[in-house]
Amino acid sequence: DTEVTQTPKHLVMGMTNKKSLKCEQHMGHRAMYWYKQKAKKPPELMFVYSYEKLSINESVPSRFSPECPNSSLLNLHLHALQPEDSALYLCASSQDTKGETQYFGPGTRLLVL
Amino acid sequence: QQQVKQSPQSLIVQKGGIPIINCAYENTAFDYFPWYQQFPGKGPALLIAIRPDVSEKKEGRFTISFNKSAKQFSLHIMDSQPGDSATYFCAARAGNQFYFGTGTSLTVIP
Repeated sequence: DTEVTQTPKHLVMGMTNKKSLKCEQHMGHRAMYWYKQKAKKPPELMFVYSYEKLSINESVPSRFSPECPNSSLLNLHLHALQPEDSALYLCASSQDTKGETQYFGPGTRLLVL
Repeated sequence: QQQVKQSPQSLIVQKGGIPIINCAYENTAFDYFPWYQQFPGKGPALLIAIRPDVSEKKEGRFTISFNKSAKQFSLHIMDSQPGDSATYFCAARAGNQFYFGTGTSLTVIP
């Protein structure tokens, strides 16, 4: 099973809402990633978790808060977002942070009104 | 600063043609070079990848050519099909980070 699942598929939220994105993998991977992708642009790295510890935070605003409750789950908590945060949020995983193959989930399409 | 430069931005070929997408980099710390294929509304999927000690790699209809001295690599799609129409991203890895090219939108006309 080489699947990374993400929920929800779509999310619409107001600027005062709090919501969470969820990512799950059962491949035994110990590295998990959050990326943000705008239309017709490449994915931009936001966070990297290695063995459930945050190892990279690419200067992401504090209104995005990642959480890795266990080795299979990755959450992204959203609060007080701005319309410019509307994008496709992608989760990925790899064997570890030196793993060559990153498996991406289908993404959550987020719209902030 | 874009660490991996990708061209062209878009490409239209006839079915059976051989589209070629090029990428260039400067960072000699890059040690792994994957190509991803992304369909609308989907996440990127790994297509093929190469290490810098190899000059060419083929998997099915997809071939990567790698020129270490020129710091360039390219993707060739043999006998392209309409189902290959997608956005293609090259990438390069340094440490535990992947740096993506800007993407090429490929359209294969039946």
